[in-house]
Amino acid sequence: DAGVIQSPRHEVTEMGQEVTLRCKPISGHDYLFWYRQTMMRGLELLIYFNNNVPIDDSGMPEDRFSAKMPNASFSTLKIQPSEPRDSAVYFCASSLWGSYEQYFGPGTRLTVT
Amino acid sequence: AQSVTQLGSHVSVSEGALVLLRCNYSSSVPPYLFWYVQYPNQGLQLLLKYTTGATLVKGINGFEAEFKKSETSFHLTKPSAHMSDAAEYFCAVVEYGNKLVFGAGTILRVKS
Repeated sequence: DAGVIQSPRHEVTEMGQEVTLRCKPISGHDYLFWYRQTMMRGLELLIYFNNNVPIDDSGMPEDRFSAKMPNASFSTLKIQPSEPRDSAVYFCASSLWGSYEQYFGPGTRLTVT
Repeated sequence: AQSVTQLGSHVSVSEGALVLLRCNYSSSVPPYLFWYVQYPNQGLQLLLKYTTGATLVKGINGFEAEFKKSETSFHLTKPSAHMSDAAEYFCAVVEYGNKLVFGAGTILRVKS
């Protein structure tokens, strides 16, 4: 199995630009999670989906952030416009209902200058 | 709501020494508990999990953890540390659905 796939692995952009992060979960998994990790705030859950439907987006920092899951094999996290404080590593994870364990992707390191 | 407390943001041990990373949880239901490891520039990787049954759980790389309900603890141990164990370790508890609540993490340093 290829595991959770994230792209790009690194993204450097200027303040004000739109950023789109992509995630392909493990085939057959019905939960998908987006996390953000920084030194200051640690690991934060941003949003999660069940069967492509957003369940809890209370962790999304503000309206500049949006996430979609158009089908079971693809999700995006978009930041528009980006700000320097959005610089972080963004992780996607997936899991199967009832097993609870989450499988993490390698992350996307975002730097906003 | 469930919560996880990891005592010690940094732990330093000598190579060959016992590793003990502490985790206490708060849960209103019988907990499902996890330990994850994160190596530099990588995602989190599952080390071990407790759901039901035997309270002593063995994981990968020689790690194990014991669920103690009376102490609401799930401490992670390894008898002999190796340099390759240097990483950040996260304890987590299931909240609802498949959502996990993570602790703040403990960075393990192994000295030669």
